[in-house]
Amino acid sequence: DVKVTQSSRYLVKRTGEKVFLECVQDMDHENMFWYRQDPGLGLRLIYFSYDVKMKEKGDIPEGYSVSREKKERFSLILESASTNQTSMYLCASKKGSNQPQHFGDGTRLSIL
Amino acid sequence: AQSVTQPDIHITVSEGASLELRCNYSYGATPYLFWYVQSPGQGLQLLLKYFSGDTLVQGIKGFEAEFKRSQSSFNLRKPSVHWSDAAEYFCAVGGASGGSYIPTFGRGTSLIVHP
Repeated sequence: DVKVTQSSRYLVKRTGEKVFLECVQDMDHENMFWYRQDPGLGLRLIYFSYDVKMKEKGDIPEGYSVSREKKERFSLILESASTNQTSMYLCASKKGSNQPQHFGDGTRLSIL
Repeated sequence: AQSVTQPDIHITVSEGASLELRCNYSYGATPYLFWYVQSPGQGLQLLLKYFSGDTLVQGIKGFEAEFKRSQSSFNLRKPSVHWSDAAEYFCAVGGASGGSYIPTFGRGTSLIVHP
């Protein structure tokens, strides 16, 4: 069974800090995704990656960057955290272009 | 551009009652369709998927969904709801042509189950 692991379930940081959210999948999936989820807004795509060192902006990339140095790991970086980045962050991966995504349990990030 | 509409933000049912959650999609070609469930504080879990073939799809936890091309719908159903079904439900559509990597999600329907 596919497992997508997010390094932290809960995280509290301060404004201006550089924040790293890590995601690892164990099924050799090419595609990986970062979403943020806010009440009433559903899932919004921040960035995705379809191969190592490849990345594409999603719908709301401002204030974020990503890194994919290895196939199994996809990191989301908040360059200078702000309070409006307080949210639930979900990582997902999938094998092919039209396969379902597999999600991690999420990281609830609070920026104080 | 593809899109998904889940018209109901909240649905309240009594335990043991039947359930139908609505999903309408917009896509120019043959869609790939998914339903996910999210329990509080968890990630999304795949309930079922439609790629082709039989338009009535069976999933996990006793759920099923029916693809109706003429209505651009993919509604989720369950004959008898259990209290543990209380969760957020998301419908998603992915492209069948052009190799779309990115599914589009609806905004979700929150299911409340009364004892």
